[in-house]
Amino acid sequence: GQQVMQIPQYQHVQEGEDFTTYCNSSTTLSNIQWYKQRPGGHPVFLIQLVKSGEVKKQKRLTFQFGEAKKNSSLHITATQTTDVGTYFCAGPDFGNEKLTFGTGTRLTIIP
Amino acid sequence: DTGVSQDPRHKITKRGQNVTFRCDPISEHNRLYWYRQTLGQGPEFLTYFQNEAQLEKSRLLSDRFSAERPKGSFSTLEIQRTEQGDSAMYLCASSSVKGAGNSPLHFGNGTRLTVT
Repeated sequence: GQQVMQIPQYQHVQEGEDFTTYCNSSTTLSNIQWYKQRPGGHPVFLIQLVKSGEVKKQKRLTFQFGEAKKNSSLHITATQTTDVGTYFCAGPDFGNEKLTFGTGTRLTIIP
Repeated sequence: DTGVSQDPRHKITKRGQNVTFRCDPISEHNRLYWYRQTLGQGPEFLTYFQNEAQLEKSRLLSDRFSAERPKGSFSTLEIQRTEQGDSAMYLCASSSVKGAGNSPLHFGNGTRLTVT
């Protein structure tokens, strides 16, 4: 079945440093979504990318979807303590309505 | 929009007992999903409904698990003869079908199950 892997599993950064998480799917994706889960919370939708090579920005967050639609990345510039949490990518197989979530990258910030 | 509501928030049960969880989705959403999440892992798909029809079940879902959405509104997830391996957070999510791509999932706060 479809597998979605993320690296790194954990990332500890000093406040103000940049952070990047990478997402790789074993199959081609029709789209990819990103979610953030705060400690003790539930996943919250951040963004969806649909087009090959698409790049979207939300303030300090930059999301990319690979040309082959099998990988994606999330980059946070100048991290803040509010960025703490686990970031998940999620994608469906073509023709599939369920989302398979990645393994997640847990971000902690050193003030 | 009152969000996705799940009940109970926590459930402690003894091995072998049956448990049932409830999920109330966002009212205008026609899709409802159940996921399971263990510590340090991503949400794992269990099943989903479009209106009252259960369209897909994970192969990981044993015959001890059953889900219903009788009137296309709230849903229940029942686990029979619970095992310690069933201990996890059970997340419900809803979405509406529109446009290109998959619609974003709106998650509830989850039901944390502990099987002793």
